[in-house]
Amino acid sequence: KAGVTQTPRYLIKTRGQQVTLSCSPISGHRSVSWYQQTPGQGLQFLFEYFSETQRNKGNFPGRFSGRQFSNSRSEMNVSTLELGDSALYLCASSLALRLNNEQFFGPGTRLTVL
Amino acid sequence: AQTVTQSQPEMSVQEAETVTLSCTYDTSESDYYLFWYKQPPSRQMILVIRQEAYKQQNATENRFSVNFQKAAKSFSLKISDSQLGDAAMYFCAYRATQGGSEKLVFGKGTKLTVNP
Repeated sequence: KAGVTQTPRYLIKTRGQQVTLSCSPISGHRSVSWYQQTPGQGLQFLFEYFSETQRNKGNFPGRFSGRQFSNSRSEMNVSTLELGDSALYLCASSLALRLNNEQFFGPGTRLTVL
Repeated sequence: AQTVTQSQPEMSVQEAETVTLSCTYDTSESDYYLFWYKQPPSRQMILVIRQEAYKQQNATENRFSVNFQKAAKSFSLKISDSQLGDAAMYFCAYRATQGGSEKLVFGKGTKLTVNP
């Protein structure tokens, strides 16, 4: 079974640009969560989607948005990039609906904002 | 809001020895899940072990075990017979059971070095 895949793996952008990151969950998984990982703030929850609906959202500005498609694939978008958005963005998927679900993480997308 | 604290930014252990990583958390919930995740230099985060708060018995997975003290809100990870492949960042994480959310709250992590 293929794991969680994230594209692209590396991305370099300049301030003010926007970026879209993609996450394909494990086949059959319906829940997708996104996390931002930085050396200073650690791992912070961005948002969570289940069946195309945003179920939970972290404390991030409105420049950060996401969506989930009918095939459970998810995208996150960051508009008007700032230097502080440089981070590793991790996606995790799970079957959901059962509390004992394990979340499986993707390899991440390393975003560098210049 | 729930918080997770890992007080040891770095730890080191000799190969074949035992090491314990500390984690404390704060929550007003009575039921929840606790996890230890490992993130090797390759960056792929993997689950090491999980504990359900309503279970008294400490979880064990091969060389990995936890010491779960619910009243003290403490959840430490013990790695026995440490191997070079255990070198990684270890994150303690909390997940509430209310609301059905999959959201994880992570600690800042402990970098574990294994010396040959």
